[in-house]
Amino acid sequence: GENVEQHPSTLSVQEGDSAVIKCTYSDSASNYFPWYKQELGKGPQLIIDIRSNVGEKKDQRIAVTLNKTAKHFSLHITETQPEDSAVYFCAASKGGGSNYKLTFGKGTLLTVNP
Amino acid sequence: EAQVTQNPRYLITVTGKKLTVTCSQNMNHEYMSWYRQDPGLGLRQIYYSMNVEVTDKGDVPEGYKVSRKEKRNFPLILESPSPNQTSLYFCASSIAGGGGEQYFGPGTRLTVT
Repeated sequence: GENVEQHPSTLSVQEGDSAVIKCTYSDSASNYFPWYKQELGKGPQLIIDIRSNVGEKKDQRIAVTLNKTAKHFSLHITETQPEDSAVYFCAASKGGGSNYKLTFGKGTLLTVNP
Repeated sequence: EAQVTQNPRYLITVTGKKLTVTCSQNMNHEYMSWYRQDPGLGLRQIYYSMNVEVTDKGDVPEGYKVSRKEKRNFPLILESPSPNQTSLYFCASSIAGGGGEQYFGPGTRLTVT
């Protein structure tokens, strides 16, 4: 089955700096790659996603890049703010089929210091 | 408001005492799923359901049961809880397969002593 590796497990940055979280996946058939943000005491919430026919996607301060050949994708947050502090999960899915299953990475705890 | 609700939010129980965690969504989603979240392990799928009366095992189904009698509800049943089921549980729903946003509930923190 699919295996998703996520690095780093913790990341501390100063407010205004950029943050990058990287993930690799094992199943070349995966075609959907979402990123979820989990704030303390809440469920994960989708912040951005990318499909395998796209190399990059941007939404304001957040961007995701995908390298299908290398089977890795990354989350980039620019001009970080204290409210960006949370746990971030990457995930991969084949989409459709018998199980729309998300395989998650183990998460990255991002701390943005004021 | 579109949402996934779970009850209870917190539960402390003893080994062997059957319990049910309820999950309900008001978005008419076909797909629903249960995950458990453990430190250092991320989110792992327990069971999922593609539609009413259609359920199947995820990665860690041992010790759990589910049912999907109505589209909106997807309860998680622990018939004989054990301490290794102490965890944070999330229910999620999605429109259908094909890849797309999964909406997560607020979580249920379960402690089995």
